[in-house]
Amino acid sequence: GQQLNQSPQSMFIQEGEDVSMNCTSSSIFNTWLWYKQDPGEGPVLLIALYKAGELTSNGRLTAQFGITRKDSFLNISASIPSDVGIYFCAGRGSSNTGKLIFGQGTTLQVKP
Amino acid sequence: DTAVSQTPKYLVTQMGNDKSIKCEQNLGHDTMYWYKQDSKKFLKIMFSYNNKELIINETVPNRFSPKSPDKAHLNLHINSLELGDSAVYFCASSQAHANEQFFGPGTRLTVL
Repeated sequence: GQQLNQSPQSMFIQEGEDVSMNCTSSSIFNTWLWYKQDPGEGPVLLIALYKAGELTSNGRLTAQFGITRKDSFLNISASIPSDVGIYFCAGRGSSNTGKLIFGQGTTLQVKP
Repeated sequence: DTAVSQTPKYLVTQMGNDKSIKCEQNLGHDTMYWYKQDSKKFLKIMFSYNNKELIINETVPNRFSPKSPDKAHLNLHINSLELGDSAVYFCASSQAHANEQFFGPGTRLTVL
């Protein structure tokens, strides 16, 4: 079945630094989504990508849909303490069922 | 004005018991999902319903039975609970099979 590899697994950075994380797939995806999960809460959608090569920003967050359609990355610029949480990539293949495959998550910690 | 709500937030029960988790969405979506998040934070889809019809059933033990009385509700009933059922269960919804899924706050199930 389709699988996503998300890296890094965790990051511990200083406030103000930029962050980059990525996801790769063994097969083609038609959609990439990036979610953030705060402790004790459900995942919240950050950015949705629908076309290969697409680059989309949401405030300090920027995500790209890889040209090969097998990867995506998320950048966070000038990190702040509230960026702490778990970031998940999710991909949807050719299935018309709406099924999303999730990456393993990247845990981000920001030191003030 | 909660979008996707779940009850209860926490559920502690003994092995062998039967329990239910309720989910409601007020977004007007017609597709709803149940996900399981394990202790390693891995998110995996269990079921999805579109207009009360089962669309996705991911090799989940038949002790788990989803029920959708209408398109705004998707409840999860679990029979004969086992220790391995301990996890956080998330409900989500989307417009048809659209890619953007919105998650509830989760139900933390602990089986003793």
